[in-house]
Amino acid sequence: AQSVTQLGSHVSVSEGALVLLRCNYSSSVPPYLFWYVQYPNQGLQLLLKYTSAATLVKGINGFEAEFKKSETSFHLTKPSAHMSDAAEYFCAVSEPGTASKLTFGTGTRLQVTL
Amino acid sequence: KAGVTQTPRYLIKTRGQQVTLSCSPISGHRSVSWYQQTPGQGLQFLFEYFSETQRNKGNFPGRFSGRQFSNSRSEMNVSTLELGDSALYLCASSLAGAEQVTDTQYFGPGTRLTVL
Repeated sequence: AQSVTQLGSHVSVSEGALVLLRCNYSSSVPPYLFWYVQYPNQGLQLLLKYTSAATLVKGINGFEAEFKKSETSFHLTKPSAHMSDAAEYFCAVSEPGTASKLTFGTGTRLQVTL
Repeated sequence: KAGVTQTPRYLIKTRGQQVTLSCSPISGHRSVSWYQQTPGQGLQFLFEYFSETQRNKGNFPGRFSGRQFSNSRSEMNVSTLELGDSALYLCASSLAGAEQVTDTQYFGPGTRLTVL
């Protein structure tokens, strides 16, 4: 069974600082991996996805993530945090061939301070 | 292009009642998936419909059911509501689902169900 683990339920950074949100996956087959963001009272918005094309994936709003098979990780980064990045972030995995059935991590709430 | 819409946005029911939630996918999308989001269990996959057929199913009791119509709109039904069914129910649509490696699920804003 596929699963993802997000380390840190809350992360606080200063505006302009590096954002690093951690995600480790468990999969017996090459996974598809996703990062979604959820703003208060809204649904989920896709930030980026990895489907084995390239290990460094660039997404929207300046976010990117690197797939590292040796570390079974897919950490999300952004060089400079903005106040508007404050939200909850979810890492998700799906089995190849079942991209519509996602297994989500528990989420990381990102706080951005002045 | 209009996004995924869900109705109603908020709902209050009492234990033992049943409820029906509706989801209209993005035009042209044929796959609709449903997820339950709670503080305790997080985001959990309920089921997926494609071309009016349930294609994938999560680990939820039979009280949770769904259907999809010929225009791809989907409904989910929860019978005999329990307090633990209080959650945000999210619907997501995609073009074709499983076969498309570049497919993306687009989520609606959700329906907030409160069971008293």
